[in-house]
Amino acid sequence: LAKTTQPISMDSYEGQEVNITCSHNNIATNDYITWYQQFPSQGPRFIIQGYKTKVTNEVASLFIPADRKSSTLSLPRVSLSDTAVYYCLVYNNNDMRFGAGTRLTVKP
Amino acid sequence: KAGVTQTPRYLIKTRGQQVTLSCSPISGHRSVSWYQQTPGQGLQFLFEYFSETQRNKGNFPGRFSGRQFSNSRSEMNVSTLELGDSALYLCASSLVPAHEQFFGPGTRLTVL
Repeated sequence: LAKTTQPISMDSYEGQEVNITCSHNNIATNDYITWYQQFPSQGPRFIIQGYKTKVTNEVASLFIPADRKSSTLSLPRVSLSDTAVYYCLVYNNNDMRFGAGTRLTVKP
Repeated sequence: KAGVTQTPRYLIKTRGQQVTLSCSPISGHRSVSWYQQTPGQGLQFLFEYFSETQRNKGNFPGRFSGRQFSNSRSEMNVSTLELGDSALYLCASSLVPAHEQFFGPGTRLTVL
């Protein structure tokens, strides 16, 4: 089962690009990588999902190297409202395991 | 389209009691998953249902059970409550498994 490892916390400033990396060394062939954002007292919210290479949507990009043992969530030009916990999830048919999450603090 | 709804939002029980939590997925979503969130353990997967069948189960004792009905609504039950069961219980729905999950606001369970 793929276990994920993320940094516990990160700090950034408004307007900067933030990259959060998730390690998943035992990822299986059929696993997808998904990232969620969670604000206090709310359920997590889907950000982006990918399988390989690069995926981009209106809020983030997801970079996955060829070996797929890690992935990087990239948030362009963060604002104060991006302060939240970010979770990496590797899904397979037997388990849906969230990482411990990265607490991102955006400062003015 | 209405989001995922969970009832009740807050619940206080005492040790030894049992509790049933309810989740109504987004209309058309057939997959429902349950998670337990605590400050110490983070988000932990409980189980996943798809078309009334449990597809996956996390590493929780048998006191935790669930089911899904033909209308995709789901319930989870915790019997013989322990203090450590105090947590936020989150339900998420998706069209099919492994796809984008939409989370409900959660049920905050306090066991005294």
